[in-house]
Amino acid sequence: QSVLTQPAHVSGFPGQSITISCTGTSNDVGAYNYVSWYQHVSGKAPQVIIYDVNNRPSGISARFSGSKSGNTASLTISGLQAEDEADYYCCSYATSVDFDWVFGGGTKLTVL
Amino acid sequence: VQLVASGGGEVQPGRSLRLSCAASEVRLSASAMHWVRQAPGKGLEWVSFTSYDGTTKSYAASVKGRFTISKDNSGNTLYLQMNSLRPEDTAVYYCARGSLEWSYFDSWGQGTLVTVSS
Repeated sequence: QSVLTQPAHVSGFPGQSITISCTGTSNDVGAYNYVSWYQHVSGKAPQVIIYDVNNRPSGISARFSGSKSGNTASLTISGLQAEDEADYYCCSYATSVDFDWVFGGGTKLTVL
Repeated sequence: VQLVASGGGEVQPGRSLRLSCAASEVRLSASAMHWVRQAPGKGLEWVSFTSYDGTTKSYAASVKGRFTISKDNSGNTLYLQMNSLRPEDTAVYYCARGSLEWSYFDSWGQGTLVTVSS
């Protein structure tokens, strides 16, 4: 069972917008602005698309955006494209005895 | 940044395996590094972290005391020594570079499959 909670599946039509939620606790998502999101296509390496809640790495489309409110972070993909179909994972730095990072269970995005 | 993980394979429960992650176009001596795994049909799970100088290391509770992370900065290679392997350690293991502030994983390797089975 993953520490952060994500919906297992989301879907949308090309051109639409979708939002994926990521719910944690005051020990992880709510504690730091260190939430990141990863796109993972089967057979390939995961790729960071959002870091530190709402920052996009160089080369990532502006269609991807992130936000956070309390213990819940969100990833929004606008103008859905067929190439966006993938698994999406949230991740947060977490407070513990040692350094710790926790992932969500992943969300499968289907572009209809 | 290019990271290539290797060393995976099939091993019996209780045995050991060492994974390697060769880096190019990046100096591991200046990079924090992680191992992250994905069990079949499951999500990503963070496994272990080492700071750029190796003075700070951390492990997930599920592997603490069995796995050891290390870096050979001269050889530009990251390692994960896995002892007392269990069937639940079966996964694709990815190496990933940590960001400067350790807050996220900014580059990932392709992964190597470890299967623990009798």
